[in-house]
This record gives sequence, C-alpha cells and structure tokens, in this order.
Amino acid sequence: NAGVTQTPKFQVLKTGQSMTLQCAQDMNHNSMYWYRQDPGMGLRLIYYSASEGTTDKGEVPNGYNVSRLNKREFSLRLESAAPSQTSVYFCASSEGGSGTDTQYFGPGTRLTVL
Amino acid sequence: AQSVTQPDIHITVSEGASLELRCNYSYGATPYLFWYVQSPGQGLQLLLKYFSGDTLVQGIKGFEAEFKRSQSSFNLRKPSVHWSDAAEYFCAVGRNSGGYQKVTFGIGTKLQVIP
Repeated sequence: NAGVTQTPKFQVLKTGQSMTLQCAQDMNHNSMYWYRQDPGMGLRLIYYSASEGTTDKGEVPNGYNVSRLNKREFSLRLESAAPSQTSVYFCASSEGGSGTDTQYFGPGTRLTVL
Repeated sequence: AQSVTQPDIHITVSEGASLELRCNYSYGATPYLFWYVQSPGQGLQLLLKYFSGDTLVQGIKGFEAEFKRSQSSFNLRKPSVHWSDAAEYFCAVGRNSGGYQKVTFGIGTKLQVIP
C-alpha cells in the first residue's frame, strides 16, 4: 500500500518549457487535489477533482491544467513554465468531499523554473 | 470566508520540554479543524482533527489539541517534546464546498528541538 505517489521528485525547467507532474493513489479515493507550497504562504489549492471525470479550479489555477485520467491518477501540466511557478507541488487525495475528510499527501515535487 | 492564523512562524524548544503551538481560525459555522505535520522533504501527515464532541482531541505521536470556540482557537500541545518532533506544523480548517473538501491551511509553524 503505497498511498499517494508523485513523480518526479525534482525538476528543473527553463522558462517556456512544458512538463507534466504525475500523481497516483491506491486508496480508492474519490477526490484528488493539487497544491503548491511557497514559503510564508502555506498550501494553496491549484485544481481539484471531486470524482473521476470531473475537475475544477482552485485558488491559483492560472498557468496550469489537469487531467483526471482515471480514479487513481491525477496529473498537473504546466504548458509554458514561468519563474513564478517555482514551488513545491503536492498531490493529495481524500475519500470524498466531506469537510471532515482526512487528506493524504504525496511526498511532493520540487520544481525550479529558470 | 474561512481563514487560519498561526502567529508563530518559528519556535525552538528543548528536548523534554512541553510544547504549545497556537492556531486561530475564522469561520462562520462549526469548524472542522485539523493539524498536519510535515517532516523535512516529506508530504503532510494528519496529526489529529476535530469536528464535534469532546473538545480535547488526541492524535498520533502523543499530540493533543483543544478546541475553544469562545477564543476561536485550536492549539496543539505535547507534554514532552522529542528530537524527532522537529518539523513544520500546519493548522487547517475544512468544509464541504460543492462536492469537494475546501481546506484552508495556515502558513505553518516550524519547530526546532534543541538537545
């Protein structure tokens, strides 16, 4: 039981390059989330998927796209990376959309955009 | 709108000393409150959560937190800190929002433990 896995762990991009961050969970959770973590700002929600086949914008969606490929996998794509997207990215999942759910987090991807 | 304030960005305690991390929240209804811990280079892990019932909740690793509605607080405590508790701690408030769990995190408190 791996929980939430993310690839890659580290990535360096040049401005304008694109990449996809991969996330998978093996807990049969319905909801999945992408956050970014920046110093002094806590975690901010980029996109979420309340269930398979649905996605929606969170607090800071500009410059990102997502795909809920199936119930297990939720990817985050940067089409044209910018230095402002330098951050640590976390994927999380939860059983459903209840306010009391526990979110389970992956180990994160540390992205640097030069 | 919901918000969380963690007034202490960095705290240093001696190993074996007691610990209290402060958290204040703003939310119109009964809040669902969480404490998560992030060890260096890792993702967040739930320590404990409160959504109803006994206002003193027990969590993993010997942590507890007390919900005080009158003070809009949910402070995290541990009677005796171990070196392995050095990490960053996040308080959060959650609610159901149109089918997904909207969680607002505080900016975190980084805990340093000295021998």
